[in-house]
Amino acid sequence: ETGVTQSPTHLIKTRGQQVTLRCSSQSGHNTVSWYQQALGQGPQFIFQYYREEENGRGNFPPRFSGLQFPNYSSELNVNALELDDSALYLCASSLNRGGVYGYTFGSGTRLTVV
Amino acid sequence: QQQVKQSPQSLIVQKGGISIINCAYENTAFDYFPWYQQFPGKGPALLIAIRPDVSEKKEGRFTISFNKSAKQFSLHIMDSQPGDSATYFCAGQKAAGNKLTFGGGTRVLVKP
Repeated sequence: ETGVTQSPTHLIKTRGQQVTLRCSSQSGHNTVSWYQQALGQGPQFIFQYYREEENGRGNFPPRFSGLQFPNYSSELNVNALELDDSALYLCASSLNRGGVYGYTFGSGTRLTVV
Repeated sequence: QQQVKQSPQSLIVQKGGISIINCAYENTAFDYFPWYQQFPGKGPALLIAIRPDVSEKKEGRFTISFNKSAKQFSLHIMDSQPGDSATYFCAGQKAAGNKLTFGGGTRVLVKP
């Protein structure tokens, strides 16, 4: 059984650029969520996808967008990068939107915007 | 709006001691309260979780105490070990299948 894998592990981008982060869900999981974790803080919910449809969104602007594919892998896209977007981006997968099954997190993508 | 407040931000405990982390929540719609453990360079991993109809849950050296009327819950790590050194996050969730709302985290250092 594989866990959640994210790519790339580290990324440096320039302000104003666009970035795509990728996530492969744990086998059998049909739900994927993305979180932003600023240094020294708890993860903040960005959005969740369940069976390829957005199933909830946190307080993030529209320049944060996502996709979930039929194999339940996912992408997080961020347009017009700002310095404050520098953070660890975590992908988490679960079966049937979490709850008692819990979420399995990947190790994250560390994004630095300069 | 910070819906889950966690304290302390950091704590140091001697090997064999007890680590206690406290959380308070505001959203009464939460009905699932997990704790996650995060090591440097890794994502959070589910440690233990509790539902509000239970006042205490114990798994090995980890115990959650839950006070529904006070909207507070805590994690106790008994016989703390150096391998327990990590950042711990409490969270609240609506079990219908929604986002996790995390506390700010507690960095625990267990000294040998």
